[in-house]
Amino acid sequence: DTAVSQTPKYLVTQMGNDKSIKCEQNLGHDTMYWYKQDSKKFLKIMFSYNNKELIINETVPNRFSPKSPDKAHLNLHINSLELGDSAVYFCASSHPGQGYRELFFGEGSRLTVL
Amino acid sequence: GNSVTQMEGPVTLSEEAFLTINCTYTATGYPSLFWYVQYPGEGLQLLLKATKADDKGSNKGFEATYRKETTSFHLEKGSVQVSDSAVYFCALSYTQTGANNLFFGTGTRLTVIP
Repeated sequence: DTAVSQTPKYLVTQMGNDKSIKCEQNLGHDTMYWYKQDSKKFLKIMFSYNNKELIINETVPNRFSPKSPDKAHLNLHINSLELGDSAVYFCASSHPGQGYRELFFGEGSRLTVL
Repeated sequence: GNSVTQMEGPVTLSEEAFLTINCTYTATGYPSLFWYVQYPGEGLQLLLKATKADDKGSNKGFEATYRKETTSFHLEKGSVQVSDSAVYFCALSYTQTGANNLFFGTGTRLTVIP
């Protein structure tokens, strides 16, 4: 079974549309993340939730809204899509706590905005 | 602030060649350092880590030593294989309000040819 799974893996849409990417983890982790990987492979954290509570919210347009219905799911909703939103979005999860805890990543969702 | 600078790619090597991918960092405090690997079509996986100065992380024949004096964490492997072809990310971690946060470099694509 896949530990961190994202759907869809590929998404092509028009500017101005609203779309969602779903993420689920079956590792029993309390903390989940969304990362954005741009065309140059640069990875940047967007959000982090710990047990359904938002704890990291980097400088991300408010068109991006994460939603965590339970600690195993963290979905990403994007309103009014723009060309610059084209990227690969990675979901990840980890145990919480002091010090580093290994992050487990999903396979990524490639979003293309036309 | 925190930043990671890693060697620009792509890197192309013949099988059994020696690999070095340079990584330097700037950080406040004492971060942990990591190398993640992304195989084609997959999410990122932790390759190795080092949590304090002079620690050496190693896995699958890869090694990296946490050098505080040069703020470096270079990745090395003595004899690469075709199966090592992937994108390699150097990263540092810092904790923020009880969660992990990883700051990634831009990634270096390695292609190993038979």
